[in-house]
Amino acid sequence: QQQVKQSPQSLIVQKGGISIINCAYENTAFDYFPWYQQFPGKGPALLIAIRPDVSEKKEGRFTISFNKSAKQFSLHIMDSQPGDSATYFCAASKSGNQFYFGTGTSLTVIP
Amino acid sequence: NAGVMQNPRHLVRRRGQEARLRCSPMKGHSHVYWYRQLPEEGLKFMVYLQKENIIDESGMPKERFSAEFPKEGPSILRIQQVVRGDSAAYFCASSPRLAGESGYTFGSGTRLTVV
Repeated sequence: QQQVKQSPQSLIVQKGGISIINCAYENTAFDYFPWYQQFPGKGPALLIAIRPDVSEKKEGRFTISFNKSAKQFSLHIMDSQPGDSATYFCAASKSGNQFYFGTGTSLTVIP
Repeated sequence: NAGVMQNPRHLVRRRGQEARLRCSPMKGHSHVYWYRQLPEEGLKFMVYLQKENIIDESGMPKERFSAEFPKEGPSILRIQQVVRGDSAAYFCASSPRLAGESGYTFGSGTRLTVV
């Protein structure tokens, strides 16, 4: 059973556009929601994370929007650049030891 | 400050052989996690260890797989009698405390190919 559902599977965005990736979860005990960025041949790198007590968190061009009642959260990448082309994973955790990852979104930003 | 170090980066094993994957956590990190990533899929939790203790192994297959994090040296993920279905990327991550407070730092992974 997939604890965290992620969409879309792939995304193509023009340079300068907004990339939006969505995730949904079922377990209301989850209390930490990170996003990871992975380049080919590399390990995932933490991009930004949020807790359910806030509805939005922004770091540079990256924003997480969190809707606790809908059990959904999303990643917005503003002014998308070709260097942002990577696979993005959302994840969720309760109490911190085991993370449940989405299946990933392959983002391509075309010049 | 070196990141999480995994070796080897690539490992090829014949069916029935043993695979040993090593992970040295970041300096000061005492929590180690192993994940497996199959092609086109997300990462699946396998095991969570602290020094000399397995804290949560709920994601480990019941047979052939084992993990340890000794007092001295790296954490080891051991796969005995490998089969083709074990081919995957195995990632180790570490954190200074429970990862829910700070997230993980991942290594670059070991890509295991079983032929």
